Amino acid sequence: GAGVSQSPSNKVTEKGKDVELRCDPISGHTALYWYRQSLGQGLEFLIYFQGNSAPDKSGLPSDRFSAERTGGSVSTLTIQRTQQEDSAVYLCASSLLSTQPQHFGDGTRLSIL
Amino acid sequence: ELKVEQNPLFLSMQEGKNYTIYCNYSTTSDRLYWYRQDPGKSLESLFVLLSNGAVKQEGRLMASLDTKARLSTLHITAAVHDLSATYFCAVVEETSGSRLTFGEGTQLTVNP
Repeated sequence: GAGVSQSPSNKVTEKGKDVELRCDPISGHTALYWYRQSLGQGLEFLIYFQGNSAPDKSGLPSDRFSAERTGGSVSTLTIQRTQQEDSAVYLCASSLLSTQPQHFGDGTRLSIL
Repeated sequence: ELKVEQNPLFLSMQEGKNYTIYCNYSTTSDRLYWYRQDPGKSLESLFVLLSNGAVKQEGRLMASLDTKARLSTLHITAAVHDLSATYFCAVVEETSGSRLTFGEGTQLTVNP
């Protein structure tokens, strides 16, 4: 399809395990964002990639969280040593330019047991 | 730190009625967005407001922006059940690049 694609759609894992979440942005979109949505915290910014510039990592909650974007397209968000408070829906968005509306994927629902 | 506040957080209204959702933000911004989210679904872009006095309309929804008051409104005219959803405003702080700071969301229920 033409939208932002995220996988997996659901992920259940045990506390302490590492997880990788994938985002495939809309073709041609130079800007890519990660957010998370949880009941207690609402929608929070995590990280932002724009072209070949250094990413804005200011929203990452701890050093257990990291993200990369390979070849200016697909992005992977990695959470190491997961904790129960990491349970949330992780949303990826992309935009044609940083000044354009962000288009969101369906998200990955992450549950930490 | 940019803060974005919406009110009301919960809104139950009858079909055919009008109502307004308010979005206040705390620092200078040059872009404001409204999104809709249905239960279990992702965010759908509704409006982009880029300048003071901007007004956008789509169907029964109309959004406006007053940058001097740091206020945006989302007005619902003659509500119908299909408008039931959660509505978020999101603001881009001028100095933050492009990161969105979201309001808490307004959960709208339109009753027949």
